[in-house]
Amino acid sequence: GQNIDQPTEMTATEGAIVQINCTYQTSGFNGLFWYQQHAGEAPTFLSYNVLDGLEEKGRFSSFLSRSKGYSYLLLKELQMKDSASYLCAVRSDSWGKLQFGAGTQVVVTP
Amino acid sequence: DAGVTQSPTHLIKTRGQQVTLRCSPKSGHDTVSWYQQALGQGPQFIFQYYEEEERQRGNFPDRFSGHQFPNYSSELNVNALLLGDSALYLCASSLGTLATNEKLFFGSGTQLSVL
Repeated sequence: GQNIDQPTEMTATEGAIVQINCTYQTSGFNGLFWYQQHAGEAPTFLSYNVLDGLEEKGRFSSFLSRSKGYSYLLLKELQMKDSASYLCAVRSDSWGKLQFGAGTQVVVTP
Repeated sequence: DAGVTQSPTHLIKTRGQQVTLRCSPKSGHDTVSWYQQALGQGPQFIFQYYEEEERQRGNFPDRFSGHQFPNYSSELNVNALLLGDSALYLCASSLGTLATNEKLFFGSGTQLSVL
């Protein structure tokens, strides 16, 4: 079957680093996306990986291993505004449909 | 430059009723996808419209239907509402000629409550 798994919740303190893991089993693979979603708001794009390796964008980095069906999102220098749900999503074909995990709620404490 | 806009923002209906949700894509985008997001879950793909045709469909019953207009805006219709249809309905737009890194832009959603 098709499955995307990520932890339900993670807690970290301001200024720290948090790593959100995502494992996937899908019928095809054409890219992995990370989105951030604050409560009651639209998901906003954070990062995209289609080849193995690390993509860095400011305080956020994302890693992909296609052979292991594994990705992580790394959030550095955590700020209070980073408290949100982080969604891992896989695109299986070339038409754009995304399959999402349930999301990881990150709680940043002072 | 307007992003993806959805209306209404909130809606309350009773079981058995019908509902229509509306979406205007981001300027320059021609493809609209609809997702259902239950509380505490990730978005689930309903269907995608491109060139006024349904191009892909997820595992949703025929009670869920849609339409895309020549100006690329879209509607989602749900008939015979069930309590389980209560969710946030998200519209996402993109370009139909998808580059490999083309991302979806989401609207803020319509929160539907079925009583």
